[in-house]
Amino acid sequence: KNEVEQSPQNLTAQEGEFITINCSYSVGISALHWLQQHPGGGIVSLFMLSSGKKKHGRLIATINIQEKHSSLHITASHPRDSAVYICAVRSWDDKIIFGKGTRLHILP
Amino acid sequence: DVKVTQSSRYLVKRTGEKVFLECVQDMDHENMFWYRQDPGLGLRLIYFSYDVKMKEKGDIPEGYSVSREKKERFSLILESASTNQTSMYLCASSFIGRGGVSTDTQYFGPGTRLTVL
Repeated sequence: KNEVEQSPQNLTAQEGEFITINCSYSVGISALHWLQQHPGGGIVSLFMLSSGKKKHGRLIATINIQEKHSSLHITASHPRDSAVYICAVRSWDDKIIFGKGTRLHILP
Repeated sequence: DVKVTQSSRYLVKRTGEKVFLECVQDMDHENMFWYRQDPGLGLRLIYFSYDVKMKEKGDIPEGYSVSREKKERFSLILESASTNQTSMYLCASSFIGRGGVSTDTQYFGPGTRLTVL
């Protein structure tokens, strides 16, 4: 079993839809990251969370430490949001563990 | 803005060749990382370095070595490239805050897509 699981693996939605991507982990962590990777390979760090919620523009990330779960939400989705979204955690023993990513495709 | 650059976007090499992948960051970060990314496997850590001349093995170090002679530069070396090392290679850096605590936010380079024939 993977220590970091993301769902769904693939998601296609219409422009304007509210998007939720989930990340569950099984290890104790000190921080969780959401990353965005566009076609062509460039990776951008979106959020780093250790508790609660963070918001940046149309992106919202939440984390529930007790349930070992985080969600990334995109409001009013747009075709330029199409990318792979990756959840990564830093475990207490200082390992960085990545999820396999969620491929998001927003249709115009 | 933090800038992490990698020497090549695309590279084609032959089996048995020695391959150097270079990564440079301009923000005086202590930590630097090399990952490979493969379909269905996600990102996997090869090596990381937390200081000049210091290195630690990641999850998949076999077949690779690294060099960190200067703080801003972290090189990944494939001593004898093999076809199973065809992959996207990503470099990242982060800094250690006060008290030696890492801030955790990693800044990634654009990636090098390596093909070994």
